[in-house]
Amino acid sequence: QKEVEQDPGPLSVPEGAIVSLNCTYSNSAFQYFMWYRQYSRKGPELLMYTYSSGNKEDGRFTAQVDKSSKYISLFIRDSQPSDSATYLCAMSAHSSASKIIFGSGTRLSIRP
Amino acid sequence: GAGVSQTPSNKVTEKGKYVELRCDPISGHTALYWYRQSLGQGPEFLIYFQGTGAADDSGLPNDRFFAVRPEGSVSTLKIQRTERGDSAVYLCASSRGGLSSYNEQFFGPGTRLTVL
Repeated sequence: QKEVEQDPGPLSVPEGAIVSLNCTYSNSAFQYFMWYRQYSRKGPELLMYTYSSGNKEDGRFTAQVDKSSKYISLFIRDSQPSDSATYLCAMSAHSSASKIIFGSGTRLSIRP
Repeated sequence: GAGVSQTPSNKVTEKGKYVELRCDPISGHTALYWYRQSLGQGPEFLIYFQGTGAADDSGLPNDRFFAVRPEGSVSTLKIQRTERGDSAVYLCASSRGGLSSYNEQFFGPGTRLTVL
């Protein structure tokens, strides 16, 4: 069993829809929870990170972490065609320099 | 400023050959990471450096893989006796390092390695 599980999709929604992306994990040591966006043939770029349980909002993006259920989510409001990419959840045990464990990524397509 | 750069962007080699992949981190970043991303998968951790030393090499799959960072800046990932299963995108990332706050890792575009 992988430490981080993520539905690979693909997920296709119409422009303006609310998108929900999710991951589960098994390692209780994870404290930092990240969402990365990756365009084709590019490296991942950090969208947002959350420490421990709770919600965090940044513009159209909201990240939620529920450590009791070992479940994290990313919501995208008013989705745009430019949001079409692969979204990777990721986790680490420390804030300092350390390895990140990634999910397999969900391919998202926003239809105009 | 300049981001993380990786060279070459593409590398095609034959089974059994030796390859070197290079990473130039963001200036001033003391931590440098290597990941491997296979098709349809997320990046998989290989090794990370704090300065010149390998702080965690637990992700290196076997002794054919080796990485160096002799002056604490540029790093080279070396793969001996390449196998077809080594075909993947090799990603490099760097971060400020230090213990006091969250260390965002900034990724390069990757080197696409194909072993024939």
